[in-house]
Parts: sequence; structure tokens; C-alpha cells
Amino acid sequence: SQQGEEDPQALSIQEGENATMNCSYKTSINNLQWYRQNSGRGLVHLILIRSNEREKHSGRLRVTLDTSKKSSSLLITASRAADTASYFCATDLNFGNEKLTFGTGTRLTIIP
Amino acid sequence: NAGVMQNPRHLVRRRGQEARLRCSPMKGHSHVYWYRQLPEEGLKFMVYLQKENIIDESGMPKERFSAEFPKEGPSILRIQQVVRGDSAAYFCASSRDRNSYEQYFGPGTRLTVT
Repeated sequence: SQQGEEDPQALSIQEGENATMNCSYKTSINNLQWYRQNSGRGLVHLILIRSNEREKHSGRLRVTLDTSKKSSSLLITASRAADTASYFCATDLNFGNEKLTFGTGTRLTIIP
Repeated sequence: NAGVMQNPRHLVRRRGQEARLRCSPMKGHSHVYWYRQLPEEGLKFMVYLQKENIIDESGMPKERFSAEFPKEGPSILRIQQVVRGDSAAYFCASSRDRNSYEQYFGPGTRLTVT
């Protein structure tokens, strides 16, 4: 499997519920980022968490990072129809190379 | 404050033709990255450039693909003699400098090879 794998691959929930997506990676990282991609569009940066951070909040988003388990989670609270999109985690490896390695994404559908 | 711009948004080429994709980074950004996304997949890194320099091209196919970021003008991703397998969305991202971890993405160019 590749660096940065999201789980689940697809998730459908009712509007107002919370959505949780997970990401696992293989090698040591400098930071981990979450992006959103609406169908047929470019990526929108959501949040960045550094390797020495454990949790970060931004609005309705909460990201956790467990470097011992090489995993991260993205929680979207009080979901809205507009949150329907694909969500990708991307890792920046710790030897100073800035290229991002993306997972295959979680496709989130919010049912009104 | 214009974001990353890419053009064209859609490009159709016949097999054997050349494709040129352009990317203008955000104002003040001097680092450009190209990624390719196949249908239903995540983005795959292709190349990382600074002005007049290729920093990392480890994700570029060895043949037919080239990239540049000249002193003046946009970054160009060039694909020669396109094949059907080149059909994908190509995204450009930019960042301010080496210490800015956040990359800002353009809307992408969707290349279709017929």
C-alpha cells in the first residue's frame, strides 16, 4: 500500500451528523495536511498539522495526529450538504523534500 | 488576490500531438509543483521547480515529459507525442518559499487524448 491511505474509501452520512476520516502513512513525516476536492475541481487546503502537534482545530474541523501509529484523523462536525467532496491527506516527508504524497481519498456524501 | 491560475482548463489532443499546460503561481510565490491525477485516484507528484531551476523531477516519466519555470512567465508542463494513458487531470500548486509548507492548488487542466 502507498504512503497516505484514507479510510474509509467512501462515507455517506445524514446532514448534521459528524464525519470521521482516517489516514495512515508509512514513513516519518514533517507534517500532514488535509485537502478537500469538489468533483471536477482543484484542491482546497483545509488544515496542516506538524509532526510535533497532536491535535488541531479549525472551525468545524478537528485533526489529530498520532506519530507512533503513523495515523491521522479528520473530524467534520455538524456536517452540511456543502461538505460533500473527496478528502485527501497529504504527507510531507521529513528530509526536507517539499513534495506532497497524497492518499487515494475518502469520498464523503452528505445526505440532506 | 488571484490564486494559482492554470490554462487551458480542458485540452483535447489526438495521439501523437503535443500538449502544453501552463501554470501561473500566486503572486509572491516562487515555488511550483506539478501533480497528475488519474480518475478515482489521488494526486501523484511529478516535478518541483523554482525559477529557472528543476529541484526534483523524480515523479516525471523519463520520456516525452518536460517542465520549465522561466525567469519570466508561467511554468510550462510539456507532453510530447501524447498517448491515451496521458489522459488525466494535471494540477499545479505553488508555495511562497521552501519553509512554507502549505501548497495552494490551481483548478487543474483536464487533458483528454483521443
